[in-house]
Amino acid sequence: DAGVTQSPTHLIKTRGQHVTLRCSPISGHKSVSWYQQVLGQGPQFIFQYYEKEERGRGNFPDRFSARQFPNYSSELNVNALLLGDSALYLCASSFRGGGDTGELFFGEGSRLTVL
Amino acid sequence: GQQVMQIPQYQHVQEGEDFTTYCNSSTTLSNIQWYKQRPGGHPVFLIQLVKSGEVKKQKRLTFQFGEAKKNSSLHITATQTTDVGTYFCAGVNNAGNMLTFGGGTRLMVKP
Repeated sequence: DAGVTQSPTHLIKTRGQHVTLRCSPISGHKSVSWYQQVLGQGPQFIFQYYEKEERGRGNFPDRFSARQFPNYSSELNVNALLLGDSALYLCASSFRGGGDTGELFFGEGSRLTVL
Repeated sequence: GQQVMQIPQYQHVQEGEDFTTYCNSSTTLSNIQWYKQRPGGHPVFLIQLVKSGEVKKQKRLTFQFGEAKKNSSLHITATQTTDVGTYFCAGVNNAGNMLTFGGGTRLMVKP
C-alpha cells in the first residue's frame, strides 16, 4: 500500500511568490495535518483537516491556508513568501481526527527554499 | 500556547551505552507520542502514551508518562548504531486536534 505522498519534493521560489504543496493521505485515512520543520528544529503544527473541515490551526499568519478535497487529499498554500518560510513541509495522515488523532503517518516532505 | 521542551538537544554515546531523553510540557496533556526521524528522513511514529504514570517497552526502548501527564521520557538500553537519529516527543492537547512537538534530541552513536 502507498504511504503518504507529497509533491513536489523540492522547489525553489523567490520572495513574494506563491506556492502550493500537495498531499495524498494513506488510503482510508480521513485526516490530514500539515507541519513546518525548519532545519534543526521540531515540526511546527500548521493545520489539521478532518472530513474536509479545518479542525485545528497553529500559530501561523494568514498567508498560510489549506483545504481538503472530497478524496481526502490536501493542499497547503503559502502566499507572499518570505525567506523565513524556507523549510521542510510535512504532511501527515491519520485514520481519526478531531478528538483523537492517534498515530500520524508522515510523508517525505516538500523542501521549500525561498531566495 | 502549549510548549513542549526536550533535553538534551544532542547526545553522543559509545555503542552499548544507555541513552535517555526527557520531555516537559507547559500544560497537562491528553496523551504523548514519540517519533524518530533519521537524518534526511521524515518522523516515524514509535509509541503513544495515554494514561498517567504509564510505562511501555519496545525491545530496548522504555517510554514513561509522568503522573501529572506533563512530562515523559524515552530510555534506550545498550544503544546500537541503528538508533542514530532525532527523537521527538509530541504532546497532544486536550482537544486532540494538535500535536506540539518538542525540539528533539539528536542521538549520535559511536561504534
